[in-house]
Amino acid sequence: DVQMTQSPSSLSASLGDRVTITCRASQDFNNNLAWFQQKPGKAPKSLIYGASSLQSGVPSRFSGSGSGTDFTLTISGLQPEDFATYYCQQYNAYPLTFGGGTKVEI
Amino acid sequence: EVQLVESGGGLVQPGGSLRLSCAASGFILSDHYMDWVRQAPGKGLEWVARSRTKARSYTTDYAASVKGRFTISRDDSKNSLYLQMNSLKTEDTAVYYCARVGITTWLFDLWGRGTLVTVSS
Repeated sequence: DVQMTQSPSSLSASLGDRVTITCRASQDFNNNLAWFQQKPGKAPKSLIYGASSLQSGVPSRFSGSGSGTDFTLTISGLQPEDFATYYCQQYNAYPLTFGGGTKVEI
Repeated sequence: EVQLVESGGGLVQPGGSLRLSCAASGFILSDHYMDWVRQAPGKGLEWVARSRTKARSYTTDYAASVKGRFTISRDDSKNSLYLQMNSLKTEDTAVYYCARVGITTWLFDLWGRGTLVTVSS
C-alpha cells in the first residue's frame, strides 16, 4: 500500500498568513494526488487534483505543487473559512489512501 | 440539484449486517465510478470500495479491511449505489460517505453528507 504522511498534523495560523502543508508518499507515483478540505460535521470538499490542478469553484488562493513522493498544498492569504482539516489522497494505486490530516487552527 | 444522499445507517450489534444506500440526483450515475469512503469518530478518511461502470464490466475493488465482508453494488436504472455490510465489527463504526469519481479528473468531486454506522453491543 502507498502510505501518505502529512505534516504537520496541526498548525496555528492567523488571517492573511501563507500556510503550507506537506504530504509525502512511501513510493513514487504519477501525480495522481488530490487535496480535500473538511470542516467539522461536514463531508470533505475537493480542492486540488493531479497534484496542481484547481477544482472548479475553488478560490485561487489554494494551490498544489510537487511530484514524485513530495507534494505541497499552499493557502496564500488565509481566510476565516479556511480553518479546517486538510487531507491529501493518492489515487494512483489500490487501495486508495489518504494522509492523516492537518488541522489548521487560529 | 446535483447531490448524493446516503441512508441506511444505524446501530447494529457485532456480527450483524446493514445495507447502505446512496441516491444520486442531478447527474447520470452510470457515467461514473462510485466509491464509499468512511471516517471513524475523530479519525481520518479511509477508502472502502469502488464500483466501476458498465463499460468496465461493473468491476469492484475493496480495502483489505472490508474485503470478503462488504459488497458494493449499483443499480443504474435507479441512479443508486449500495454497500452491503456483513459480519460487522466494532472497528467498522464510522460515518460512511458515498463519493462520485470525476470522469476526466479521477477526483472525488462530489460527496454525500454521510450516514453513521455504529457497531456496538
